[in-house]
Amino acid sequence: GENVEQHPSTLSVQEGDSAVIKCTYSDSASNYFPWYKQELGKGPQLIIDIRSNVGEKKDQRIAVTLNKTAKHFSLHITETQPEDSAVYFCAASIRNAGNMLTFGGGTRLMVKP
Amino acid sequence: GAVVSQHPSWVICKSGTSVKIECRSLDFQATTMFWYRQFPKQSLMLMATSNEGSKATYEQGVEKDKFLINHASLTLSTLTVTSAHPEDSSFYICSAQIGGGPQHFGDGTRLSIL
Repeated sequence: GENVEQHPSTLSVQEGDSAVIKCTYSDSASNYFPWYKQELGKGPQLIIDIRSNVGEKKDQRIAVTLNKTAKHFSLHITETQPEDSAVYFCAASIRNAGNMLTFGGGTRLMVKP
Repeated sequence: GAVVSQHPSWVICKSGTSVKIECRSLDFQATTMFWYRQFPKQSLMLMATSNEGSKATYEQGVEKDKFLINHASLTLSTLTVTSAHPEDSSFYICSAQIGGGPQHFGDGTRLSIL
C-alpha cells in the first residue's frame, strides 16, 4: 500500500519568514495530494491540494509543488503569521480507487512573533 | 460550504458502555464518509470507509463488531463504540466526500473511557 513520509516533524520560524514542509510517497499510482491544517482540538482543514497533472499550485501565501518523477511534494508558506501555527498533514490518494487518503506523520509549525 | 458537523465533541463514560458518535454533512450530500482515529501527537489512521446504504469497509486490524458504522443517509453516518474500554480512548474524526472530491473533516470527538 501507499506510504507517505513527512519532514520535518517540528518546524519553528520567525514571523514573516517562509516555511517549507516536504513529503514523499511510495505508490506511483497516487495522483491526488491534499494538505491539511489541524489546530488544537479541531479536525483537519483542507488548505490546498494538487493533482498529478499539475506541477505547482498557489493560493495567496500558500503554494504546493509536485515532482512526480521523484515522488515528492512540498508545501510552502510565505510571510508566516502566528495564526499559521498548527499541525500540517500531507496526504496522498489514488482517485477513483476508493479515494482513501494516506496521511503523513504531520509537522508541528510554530511561528514566533 | 462543505461543512461537516460531528457530535458530541467530547464524551466521558464508564468502561463497558457503548458510545455513539454522529457525523453529518450539513450543506452537501456525501457519497462517502470516512472514520479516523487519532492518538495524541500522531497522524490520522483510517478505520473504515462507508457509503450510503451499504456496509462499511474496515481497515485491517479494526474490529467491525467493536466499531459499528451505520450510513443511513447521504448526510449522516454514525460510529458506535461498543463495550468501550480505556484503550478505546482517543480522538475520533469523520470526513465526508462528494464523488471524487476532497474530504472535508468534522471537528472530532474526544472519547475518554474511565
